[in-house]
Amino acid sequence: GAGVSQTPSNKVTEKGKYVELRCDPISGHTALYWYRQSLGQGPEFLIYFQGTGAADDSGLPNDRFFAVRPEGSVSTLKIQRTERGDSAVYLCASSLKPTGTSPSEQFFGPGTRLTVL
Amino acid sequence: AQSVTQLDSHVSVSEGTPVLLRCNYSSSYSPSLFWYVQHPNKGLQLLLKYTSAATLVKGINGFEAEFKKSETSFHLTKPSAHMSDAAEYFCVVKTSGTYKYIFGTGTRLKVLA
Repeated sequence: GAGVSQTPSNKVTEKGKYVELRCDPISGHTALYWYRQSLGQGPEFLIYFQGTGAADDSGLPNDRFFAVRPEGSVSTLKIQRTERGDSAVYLCASSLKPTGTSPSEQFFGPGTRLTVL
Repeated sequence: AQSVTQLDSHVSVSEGTPVLLRCNYSSSYSPSLFWYVQHPNKGLQLLLKYTSAATLVKGINGFEAEFKKSETSFHLTKPSAHMSDAAEYFCVVKTSGTYKYIFGTGTRLKVLA
């Protein structure tokens, strides 16, 4: 079946602009995660959704970053007033709902490479 | 607080020789530990995971890792490297009761012919 898809694959924008990044999870996966991966670093947790609600948004760096998942499927990461430091690859992952102490496998999308000029 | 340290940013091995990628973790409570692989221009893929069952975990492509609580380590090994193993490897920790996965900075594995 289809994996996690992310659009666009590349986004170039100017400092101060607003951007939206989209994630389509695997059908039936209720858990959805956003990560940011800067050059030479590991992915950095941003936010976790279980269904429509953000269960943990402690990784969002500041209030310019916001994410939604209104119908419990597709999610959009929104960045306002972009800064050059926001340049990174933004990764989305989805999984079945974690149970107890056994986390479900996360399936990652290919990422969106954001460049802020 | 959770954290994970990958002790080597780059590892080079010859094809057919053993692979050892080192990872140490810090976690307040019972951790779940993972290794992911990222091939160039491909998405992250799960190699294996530890979730408080057997301490020696076998994964895909001949990789395995051993959870050692006394050493707070979760090193990744493979008896014989293959050219296709060349990639970036990430060690990941998640503490029970949280949803946050903490990734290490990665180890780039190079396999020499």
